[in-house]
Amino acid sequence: SQQGEEDPQALSIQEGENATMNCSYKTSINNLQWYRQNSGRGLVHLILIRSNEREKHSGRLRVTLDTSKKSSSLLITASRAADTASYFCATQDSNYQLIWGAGTKLIIKP
Amino acid sequence: EPEVTQTPSHQVTQMGQEVILRCVPISNHLYFYWYRQILGQKVEFLVSFYNNEISEKSEIFDDQFSVERPDGSNFTLKIRSTKLEDSAMYFCASSGSGRIGELFFGEGSRLTVL
Repeated sequence: SQQGEEDPQALSIQEGENATMNCSYKTSINNLQWYRQNSGRGLVHLILIRSNEREKHSGRLRVTLDTSKKSSSLLITASRAADTASYFCATQDSNYQLIWGAGTKLIIKP
Repeated sequence: EPEVTQTPSHQVTQMGQEVILRCVPISNHLYFYWYRQILGQKVEFLVSFYNNEISEKSEIFDDQFSVERPDGSNFTLKIRSTKLEDSAMYFCASSGSGRIGELFFGEGSRLTVL
């Protein structure tokens, strides 16, 4: 089955810097979604990018999708302490299931 | 803003006991899901539910698991005879945009099996 894999597994940066996380997957998809999870909390949907889209923005978030390389990136600009969380990519194919990566743990140092 | 609510937030049970986890999805949503996340690991799909029946289930969702929507608002996950390896966070999610698109997740129910 297809699998999203995030890279890096952990990222620690200074507040104000940009954070980039990557996700790779194996098979064709309908869309790719990014979610955030604060420690011990639920999953919060951030952004969805369809397979025919290449880039999408939402506030300080920028997501790119390269279907030829089967990869996506999530960029958080001007990071804040509140951005500290785990970030997961999840791919959805024609079978509708969301297949999740292992996540990137992002720490923003004040 | 509408949200998915889950109870209990944490349940501790003895191995072999039955557990029921409850979820109230967003009221106009039609698609319901259960996922689990073992501590520090990936989120894993368990089951999806639409029109009062299971639409997909994973290999994890064996005969020990069942789901029900008994009263049109609650969506429950039952584990008949819990095992140690069932210890995990269980997340309920619902979707209003069909089977493709954004899922709205609850805060999760942490299950600890001793």
